[in-house]
Parts: sequence; structure tokens; C-alpha cells
Amino acid sequence: ILNVEQSPQSLHVQEGDSTNFTCSFPSSNFYALHWYRWETAKSPEALFVMTLNGDEKKKGRISATLNTKEGYSYLYIKGSQPEDSATYLCAPTLSGTYKYIFGTGTRLKVLA
Amino acid sequence: DAGVTQSPTHLIKTRGQQVTLRCSPKSGHDTVSWYQQALGQGPQFIFQYYEEEERQRGNFPDRFSGHQFPNYSSELNVNALLLGDSALYLCASTPGGGRNTGELFFGEGSRLTVL
Repeated sequence: ILNVEQSPQSLHVQEGDSTNFTCSFPSSNFYALHWYRWETAKSPEALFVMTLNGDEKKKGRISATLNTKEGYSYLYIKGSQPEDSATYLCAPTLSGTYKYIFGTGTRLKVLA
Repeated sequence: DAGVTQSPTHLIKTRGQQVTLRCSPKSGHDTVSWYQQALGQGPQFIFQYYEEEERQRGNFPDRFSGHQFPNYSSELNVNALLLGDSALYLCASTPGGGRNTGELFFGEGSRLTVL
């Protein structure tokens, strides 16, 4: 069983603060790491997919890094805005399988 | 261009009943996956359908079954419902055979409550 852990479980930040979350996963048979953003009452939306050790991706104020050797990924949000409030899910995939293994997510609330 | 659509959005069943959930994938997508999100957990993989066959299955009992139609739409069936089957059921589609580096496109889910 592949154990994907995300921390923190939830956090509240003030508008304008920068924040980061962690996703850790066993590194054996690693294939790709996905980040999803899930707003309440909507469907999860893909943010990034990363495959190579040392990968960094950026989309606006959000960026992510990947360390496949030690099995972790960081998601950073710079200058948080209320519209960033959502649950952020990470999901590694393994070689030879089609399933995405989601963590329990980090619930972010940005206070105006 | 319609995204992934799921129906019904909410339903209530009693223990022992059977339920069918439906999913229409995003236009151009041929692969459909189903996930269960129970309270406090991340989405858990149930199975994936491609070319009208179950290609991979997660750790779910045989009470969970599915089907994919020639138009790529899919159904999830759950028999002999248990209280623990109460969850949000998410359908996700991908194009091109569902390579696991591709983006999953999710529907908004069907929330099942079993009483």
C-alpha cells in the first residue's frame, strides 16, 4: 500500500501571506506527481504534473518542486489571495499502473 | 465544450439497495476512472475503463462494478449498499488511453448517502 501524506492538514493565512505545503510519498516505482486544486462545490482541477527529480513548475503565484529520491514535493503560494482558498491534493502515480494515489489534502483558507 | 458530467448529483439509499451512477467524459476523452472520496480521506481509486473494459481495479469489493459504453460514457454500480459506502463518487476522464502523466478531468461528483 502506497502511503501518501500531506501536511499540514489545514491552515489559515492572511491575505498577502506566502505559504507552502508538503506531499510525501514512497519513492520506489515512482512515475509522476500531480497537484490538484479543489474548491468547495466544484471539481478538482489539475495544477501541475512533474516527473523528473528536481522538476520545478510555476503557474502565476503558485509553484511546485519535486524530489523523487527522498519522496517529497512542495507546493508554494506567494502572496495568498482569498480565491486561493481550496483543498490542495497531491497524487503520485507509479510505473505500470493507471491509478492516481491521492493524499488527504491540505485545506487552505485565506482570510481577507 | 462540455466537461465531465455526472448524474445524479445527490442521492439517498438504504442499506442493501443498489445504486447506479453515471458519467459522461469530456469530449474527445476515451478513458474513464472512478474514485470514491469518503469523509476525511482523499479520493480512492475504484477502477478505470478503457475500450469498454475494466483495465485496472483498486482495492474495492466485487459489489462495485462498472461499465463503459461505445460512446465512452460510463456507469458505476454498487450492490448491497453498506453504510460505509456513503461518500462522494468522482468520475474522471482522460484522453489517449489514460497515460498516468496526463491530467485527470473530474466531474463534480455524485454524493451518495446510505441510511
